[in-house]
Amino acid sequence: DGGITQSPKYLFRKEGQNVTLSCEQNLNHDAMYWYRQDPGQGLRLIYYSQIVNDFQKGDIAEGYSVSREKKESFPLTVTSAQKNPTAFYLCASSIVAGGYEQYFGPGTRLTVT
Amino acid sequence: RKEVEQDPGPFNVPEGATVAFNCTYSNSASQSFFWYRQDCRKEPKLLMSVYSSGNEDGRFTAQLNRASQYISLLIRDSKLSDSATYLCVAPQMGGGADGLTFGKGTHLIIQP
Repeated sequence: DGGITQSPKYLFRKEGQNVTLSCEQNLNHDAMYWYRQDPGQGLRLIYYSQIVNDFQKGDIAEGYSVSREKKESFPLTVTSAQKNPTAFYLCASSIVAGGYEQYFGPGTRLTVT
Repeated sequence: RKEVEQDPGPFNVPEGATVAFNCTYSNSASQSFFWYRQDCRKEPKLLMSVYSSGNEDGRFTAQLNRASQYISLLIRDSKLSDSATYLCVAPQMGGGADGLTFGKGTHLIIQP
C-alpha cells in the first residue's frame, strides 16, 4: 500500500526544545515538501527537496532545518529559534519537482508551551 | 501580491443543490491546476487535476478560463459528505521547482 506517513500525529513540547517530525514515503517520488498550516490560513512552504542530498528553503524556512539522506525520508526539525512553532505540519511528495500533483501525509499537530 | 485567491465562504447549501465557486490565479503561464479537498483537521486530498479547458469526474466539474485567469469547481447533487474546505492550487510564479501555490480555501457546508 503506497503512501506517505508522518509521525507522531500529535506532539507536545516545551518552549526552547528542538523537535523532529518524521516523514516517509514509499511512492518512489523524487520531490518532497514540508508545509505549515495555521488556523484560517493557507499552506505555507517551509522547505522542499527535489532529489536526495539536496533541499531548498521555501517561504518560511527560518527556525527550521531538514535533511534528505534517503529518497524515502525527509525529516523536519523545528528548532528553538522558531518563534511560533505551534501549528499543523504537513509533508507532501510529488513524482518530480515543479507543477505536479502533490500527495500529503496525515500531518503532525505540534503544540509548544 | 496574492497568487491564488478564493472566496473563503462559508457557502451554506441545501443537500441536492448545485454549488460552484471560483478561484483566480496570477501566473498566466500556468499549465496545470488542481482542486484539493481538506476535511477539518485532516490533510488535503487531491480532488481533480485540470490540464486543459476542464475536467469532469462524476458530480464534480472543473473548468478553466485562461483569458480571465480563473478556474471553477462545480458540484452537482451535493451530498452531506461534500462538506469540507476546497483548496485551489496553481503552479508557483516563475515555474520554479518549489511547486505549487495553495489558495486559503473555500469552506462548504451542505445542510440536510
